[in-house]
Amino acid sequence: GAVVSQHPSWVICKSGTSVKIECRSLDFQATTMFWYRQFPKKSLMLMATSNEGSKATYEQGVEKDKFLINHASLTLSTLTVTSAHPEDSSFYICSARGSMISYEQYFGPGTRLTVT
Amino acid sequence: GQNIDQPTEMTATEGAIVQINCTYQTSGFNGLFWYQQHAGEAPTFLSYNVLDGLEEKGRFSSFLSRSKGYSYLLLKELQMKDSASYLCAVRVLRPHRPDKLIFGTGTRLQVFP
Repeated sequence: GAVVSQHPSWVICKSGTSVKIECRSLDFQATTMFWYRQFPKKSLMLMATSNEGSKATYEQGVEKDKFLINHASLTLSTLTVTSAHPEDSSFYICSARGSMISYEQYFGPGTRLTVT
Repeated sequence: GQNIDQPTEMTATEGAIVQINCTYQTSGFNGLFWYQQHAGEAPTFLSYNVLDGLEEKGRFSSFLSRSKGYSYLLLKELQMKDSASYLCAVRVLRPHRPDKLIFGTGTRLQVFP
């Protein structure tokens, strides 16, 4: 149990375009979802935390107008990278936490974004 | 500031035992996680310690000392498939903000035959 999926697994887009990444909890209700990014050989950095039906809480230094997060239901959160630039190229990983075990996060398989 | 340190790389031999250390300086400590991450994949949960002591789960054990800001992950009977990065992450509570996981940079373990 506790499976989280992400779509797409990889995407290439041109500078200036927007790209949407979906994160789904497949077999549990995710009261909280987290979005991370990871640069090569670096640690995961939390970008934002979202609770279903409310606005996301962004970490310091993360532009909320650039990284739009929507947590419309208990099984789906989306991250939209707007006006993408090459420096946005990264590995984006979501995780989800349900109510059954309050501390454990289940990670999705990640999305590799390349902006050309 | 919040800081987590772990060795960058380690090597070991199949069948051996390896210990990966993690030290942290954080405020609002509320538990320490160990995750395994293969290249290009998502982290998978290995263990969680919130109280001092040793937690054992099969071939993997994790230890925590909160007073020393120290944890280790012990892997026994190493297998080739254990070659991966091992991430130490501390959960911190923050006033008026959601809790957060702070990750170390990970320890890349290579297991040789």
